[in-house]
Amino acid sequence: DIQMTQSPSSLSASVGDRVTITCRTSQDIYKSLNWYQLKSGEAPKLLIYAASNLQSGVPSRFGGSGSGTDFTLTISNLQPEDFATYYCQQTYISFYSFGQGTTLEI
Amino acid sequence: EVQLVESGGGLVQPGRSLRLSCTGSGFTSGDYPMSWFRLAPGKGLEWVGLIRSKGYGGTTEYAASVRGRFTISRDNSKSIAYLQMNSLKIEDTAVYYCSRVQGRHLDFDFYYMDVWGKGTTVIVSS
Repeated sequence: DIQMTQSPSSLSASVGDRVTITCRTSQDIYKSLNWYQLKSGEAPKLLIYAASNLQSGVPSRFGGSGSGTDFTLTISNLQPEDFATYYCQQTYISFYSFGQGTTLEI
Repeated sequence: EVQLVESGGGLVQPGRSLRLSCTGSGFTSGDYPMSWFRLAPGKGLEWVGLIRSKGYGGTTEYAASVRGRFTISRDNSKSIAYLQMNSLKIEDTAVYYCSRVQGRHLDFDFYYMDVWGKGTTVIVSS
């Protein structure tokens, strides 16, 4: 299995800030890395697929980068609705493992 | 509108069984692999398993934590994917989500979960 290490586990920020979340994998997954946003009581939301591709309908303040084993999610100009938990996910092999999650708090 | 709705959750005793359903609408669900995930209290998202489309044999894969106890199946005529959960354990308590698996060929074959349901809650307790 591919192990995922996501950091930080929690992050405090303010509206208007720029934040970065990192995800490291235990083996090279090329760009098979996705990012999701999860809010309590809601369906998970796909933000970024294939490391850097913005999903349709997702605001451009969300960005992803990386390849191989190191990836980042960047959120610019934080908005109140962005305070949530974020997960990275590898889909290089069909055992779709996740990072531990990052809770973004005010 | 493309949508997935999970149902079938509830309170169940350890060792018993439960079957969850995931009903799709707004798209031909049989054309897509479907996957199940769960979010246990105080823990992170966990992949449970997937079922491939009929065109890829409808084969299944499972996480080690549920292999041999859980079974995923589908009824394409009804646009429903099922998660049969047997020999339930307390640690299976979670919100269970289903999702559509989308594939896209860029410079590589990439897969991602683009449509999700809102989940159904399973509580395993005596």
